[in-house]
Amino acid sequence: ETGVTQSPTHLIKTRGQQVTLRCSSQSGHNTVSWYQQALGQGPQFIFQYYREEENGRGNFPPRFSGLQFPNYSSELNVNALELDDSALYLCASSYGDHLTETQYFGPGTRLLVL
Amino acid sequence: AQSVAQPEDQVNVAEGNPLTVKCTYSVSGNPYLFWYVQYPNRGLQFLLKYITGDNLVKGSYGFEAEFNKSQTSFHLKKPSALVSDSALYFCAVRYSGSARQLTFGSGTQLTVLP
Repeated sequence: ETGVTQSPTHLIKTRGQQVTLRCSSQSGHNTVSWYQQALGQGPQFIFQYYREEENGRGNFPPRFSGLQFPNYSSELNVNALELDDSALYLCASSYGDHLTETQYFGPGTRLLVL
Repeated sequence: AQSVAQPEDQVNVAEGNPLTVKCTYSVSGNPYLFWYVQYPNRGLQFLLKYITGDNLVKGSYGFEAEFNKSQTSFHLKKPSALVSDSALYFCAVRYSGSARQLTFGSGTQLTVLP
């Protein structure tokens, strides 16, 4: 196990609602990245937080937002849920620069939007 | 744009035989290449990475991968497959100029037959 934890493990919401997903990073890691994995596809990068600041964003609309806290844990918030938001949401924590960094993933939160 | 391609959706191999899972990447800057494995209803587990140096990289569980710059490939290999290796394998790329986001391939389902 990586030491990266996510909650909840499963979630069911209806279209238009809002959801918050949580991630606790591995001890000593100061960077958290979030990915969306739709069924049958590879993970897609949502955004990354480094020392509480957004450090890059993928091709996702503004209704996807995030936070990182002083203890480096993180939240992913999604407003106005759409059916296509149904997916496995993965967070990954990491530490270091381009040469040394490796992202370690949590088990994911499976979101179903009805 | 950075990208990786996994040309095979499915690879079947008999237990004890060597296995290869293919990955090619787009040429842009200095690529950092990764392999991850995903078991059903689980997050991604890191297997190995290539950053620089020796083209043959050894990773977890007896897996290795060879970086081939002329063919822009980073194929995952194992000399003797186990039934427990059956899982979904993802190749990913990160470029030195990016915000350290990973771009994943579409995945290859490996089935090792007893």
